[in-house]
Amino acid sequence: KQEVTQIPAALSVPEGENLVLNCSFTDSAIYNLQWFRQDPGKGLTSLLLIQSSQREQTSGRLNASLDKSSGRSTLYIAASQPGDSATYLCAVIDSGYALNFGKGTSLLVTP
Amino acid sequence: GAVVSQHPSWVICKSGTSVKIECRSLDFQATTMFWYRQFPKQSLMLMATSNEGSKATYEQGVEKDKFLINHASLTLSTLTVTSAHPEDSSFYICSAGQRAYEQYFGPGTRLTVT
Repeated sequence: KQEVTQIPAALSVPEGENLVLNCSFTDSAIYNLQWFRQDPGKGLTSLLLIQSSQREQTSGRLNASLDKSSGRSTLYIAASQPGDSATYLCAVIDSGYALNFGKGTSLLVTP
Repeated sequence: GAVVSQHPSWVICKSGTSVKIECRSLDFQATTMFWYRQFPKQSLMLMATSNEGSKATYEQGVEKDKFLINHASLTLSTLTVTSAHPEDSSFYICSAGQRAYEQYFGPGTRLTVT
């Protein structure tokens, strides 16, 4: 069964810093990997989707990379802002359609 | 873009009663929908896979007689929590998608059982 791990569990940074969130998965046979943002008590917002044949995806200040062979993905956030404060979830799809989620990284960006 | 709605967004019910949560794909047809549950400070855990016109597939440890799923049409799946207890209080989220790599999530339903 696919296991998804996210490190760190929580992170606090001052505004303006660049930061990296890590995600690892145990089974490299994945269809895609997806990063989500979740605000407290809210649903999920998809940030970036990386298909298994891709190495990275970029959207604005966000960049996600994927290394299938090592079972790792990183989400890079440049020039962090207080509005970036949220929980970031990494999820992979392997043999089925459902996503396997990590426990998330809770990010706090302080002014 | 594809939109998935959930109703209600929050519900409070008494212990022993049943609650129905709806998940709708508003602008696309979804042969498969997924139901997830999220406890406080935990990640989303898949409960079941809902297939239009057939029985749902439940994950290990999820009681199918307690969490009834009906996928009656290509745009609607319902989750009924029967005889709810306080430990069923959670955040329930559904997703739908036409392809394995495109899942669209609903906004979630907060269930509180008193």
